[in-house]
Amino acid sequence: ILNVEQSPQSLHVQEGDSTNFTCSFPSSNFYALHWYRWETAKSPEALFVMTLNGDEKKKGRISATLNTKEGYSYLYIKGSQPEDSATYLCAFASTDKLIFGTGTRLQVFP
Amino acid sequence: DSGVTQTPKHLITATGQRVTLRCSPRSGDLSVYWYQQSLDQGLQFLIQYYNGEERAKGNILERFSAQQFPDLHSELNLSSLELGDSALYFCASSRGDVPSSYEQYFGPGTRLTVT
Repeated sequence: ILNVEQSPQSLHVQEGDSTNFTCSFPSSNFYALHWYRWETAKSPEALFVMTLNGDEKKKGRISATLNTKEGYSYLYIKGSQPEDSATYLCAFASTDKLIFGTGTRLQVFP
Repeated sequence: DSGVTQTPKHLITATGQRVTLRCSPRSGDLSVYWYQQSLDQGLQFLIQYYNGEERAKGNILERFSAQQFPDLHSELNLSSLELGDSALYFCASSRGDVPSSYEQYFGPGTRLTVT
């Protein structure tokens, strides 16, 4: 059974703080790693699709890195804002499906 | 707005009944994926269709079935419903047939409550 783990489970930060969280996945048979942002009462929204070891992607204040050899990816948010409050999901792409972690729930207080 | 539509938004039904959830993918997307989100569980992949054909199967119960029509919309049929089937059901669409290469666009979900 393929396991995708995210830590921490939840995070509370002050506005302006930078934060990061981790996604761990199997290091064998790697195809891709997806990150999604899921706001309460909305649906998951794609942030990044990462495929190469050492890949680094950026979208505004959010960036992600990928280490396929050791099986982890980091998501960083620089200068968190209240509108960044959401659950951040990672998903390991196997040959035929995405396997989602349970997410890191981020709450940013003004 | 992702461009993916799902109906209905909410559904309340009794045990033993059968329901149909509907999904229309983003314009140009050929793949439709169905996911189940139960309480305290991550998104669980159920099934994928690509251009009308079943492409991959996940943890989908035998009581559940799906299809994708020539206009690319998809329906998920849930029968002999049990209390444990209460969940949020999402569909997502993507351009290609391989889930690794393409980001998925999620619909707003259908909240199913079985009483």
